[in-house]
This record gives sequence, structure tokens and C-alpha cells, in this order.
Amino acid sequence: KAGVTQTPRYLIKTRGQQVTLSCSPISGHRSVSWYQQTPGQGLQFLFEYFSETQRNKGNFPGRFSGRQFSNSRSEMNVSTLELGDSALYLCASSSTGEGRNEQFFGPGTRLTVL
Amino acid sequence: GDSVTQMEGPVTLSEEAFLTINCTYTATGYPSLFWYVQYPGEGLQLLLKATKADDKGSNKGFEATYRKETTSFHLEKGSVQVSDSAVYFCALRAGGTSYGKLTFGQGTILTVHP
Repeated sequence: KAGVTQTPRYLIKTRGQQVTLSCSPISGHRSVSWYQQTPGQGLQFLFEYFSETQRNKGNFPGRFSGRQFSNSRSEMNVSTLELGDSALYLCASSSTGEGRNEQFFGPGTRLTVL
Repeated sequence: GDSVTQMEGPVTLSEEAFLTINCTYTATGYPSLFWYVQYPGEGLQLLLKATKADDKGSNKGFEATYRKETTSFHLEKGSVQVSDSAVYFCALRAGGTSYGKLTFGQGTILTVHP
């Protein structure tokens, strides 16, 4: 079974631009979560989608948004990029996103904002 | 809110030494607990998990026991190898409406020398 895939793997943008990252979950998984990883803040939860609905959201500004399609693929968008948005963005999929079900992570998208 | 605290790192060991990485948590209810490992340039891989008190998770020689009385989930390995060098993250998923959200510790860098 193929793992979680994320595209692109690397991205360089300038301040003020916007960016869209893509995530394809493991086949059959309906829950997709997004995380931001930085040296200073560690791993922080952005949001989770299940069956095209956002069920949970972390403490990030409204510039961070996402969506999920009917095939469970998910995208996240960051508008008006700031230098502090430079990070590794990780996507994780799970069968239901609940309880004891583990999450499987993709390799991440490394975003650099200049 | 929920939180995870890992021992301060980095940890440097010689091959075949005994490893312990401490992890304690704060959460309401009965969370599920996880250890993830991250190799350079990669996403997170699930190492082991435990979903209820006194459960022991194990994988690849690593073990951790869910101790509700001490709210701990310490990671141990009897004999480390150079290939175990990586960053280790302790994480929890709370119950209730914490859909898709893992709360992570700050990570512990492990370096194993031959």
C-alpha cells in the first residue's frame, strides 16, 4: 500500500505571496491532519479534515486554510506569507482520526519564505 | 490543555548502551500515547503506541509502558545501534473532540557513536 505523499517537496516563496501544498493520504484513509514543524515551536497542529469537513483546528491565524476533496486528498493554503511561515509542513493520514488510530506521516514540504 | 514533556536533549551514547528517554504528559481523560521517530530529511514514522493504562508498546527492540499513576510513557532500548540515531517524539491523542490532533513533546535528538 502506498504511503502518504506530499507535493511539492521543496518550495521557495517571497513575503506577501501565497502558497498551496498538496497531500494524498493512504488509500482508504478519510482523515487528513496538517502540522507545522519549526526549530523554535516544534510540531504544532494546524487542522484536520474528515470527509471534506474540517473537524478540528489549531491555534493559527486565518491566513492558514485547507480543504479536502471527495477522494480524501487535501490541500492547505497560506496567504500573505511571512518570514515566520518558513517551516516543514507535514501531512498525516488516519483511518478515522479518532482515539487509538495512529497517524501516518508524509515526508513533508519544506517551505522557505524570503 | 494537553501537553507532553520530554527529557532535555541531546542524548549521546555509544553503540550497545542502554537508552531511556523520559516522557510525561498532562491530559484529561484517557489519552492514547505514541512514540514517533524522525530521520534526517524525512517525515515522522510511528515507532510504537499504547492505548490504555499498563499497555506496553514495543517495536524494533524499543519499548514503552503506559503508566497512568505517574502519567509517563518512557522509551527504552536495551542496546542501541548507530542506525538508531534520529529525533524521537513522544505524543498523545486525547479523547473527546480531539479529532486528528496529536500533541507532541519537543523532541529528543539521539546520537549513537560506534
